Amino acid sequence: EPEVTQTPSHQVTQMGQEVILRCVPISNHLYFYWYRQILGQKVEFLVSFYNNEISEKSEIFDDQFSVERPDGSNFTLKIRSTKLEDSAMYFCASGYTFGSGTRLTVV
Amino acid sequence: TQLLEQSPQFLSIQEGENLTVYCNSSSVFSSLQWYRQEPGEGPVLLVTVVTGGEVKKLKRLTFQFGDARKDSSLHITAAQPGDTGLYLCAGSPPFYGGSQGNLIFGKGTKLSVKP
Repeated sequence: EPEVTQTPSHQVTQMGQEVILRCVPISNHLYFYWYRQILGQKVEFLVSFYNNEISEKSEIFDDQFSVERPDGSNFTLKIRSTKLEDSAMYFCASGYTFGSGTRLTVV
Repeated sequence: TQLLEQSPQFLSIQEGENLTVYCNSSSVFSSLQWYRQEPGEGPVLLVTVVTGGEVKKLKRLTFQFGDARKDSSLHITAAQPGDTGLYLCAGSPPFYGGSQGNLIFGKGTKLSVKP
């Protein structure tokens, strides 16, 4: 069964540092998404990506965040100048199929 | 802002019992997904319902989409300990701009099935 692969599975970073979360979506899919889930809270939509550009973004997805698909394979989420409140599970989705997530801890 | 309310939030039952989880909204969704999520893992898609009134069955799980596409239910027959987990509903807002649509999630129902 096709799956979405996310790396790393865990990331610990210092406040103020930049992190890049990576995803390999399902190869023949067109729509890709990033979601986040703060511990104990519901899954929240961040951004959707179609045809190599952002098609929709939520209020959470401010200038601190960016996405790209530089090589037609990897789909990345960059978080600049991380804050403590960015600590969460970040999920990549290809269509309605989710990856296992990256647990980001900002210290 | 579209919201999905799930109930109950927690459910603890004995093996062999039946249960129903509800997902309600005042808004229309173009489709609704049910997921199961284990601790520290990503949501795993169980089913997608698209048509109002649609019923889908997955072994002992029955999913229904409301006629008005504003609500959905998940019914489990003869629950087993292996059914224990967090069940999430997620709705896709009506299509616009050609987008498949992001998902709006409910808070989930944490099910515990005791042997």
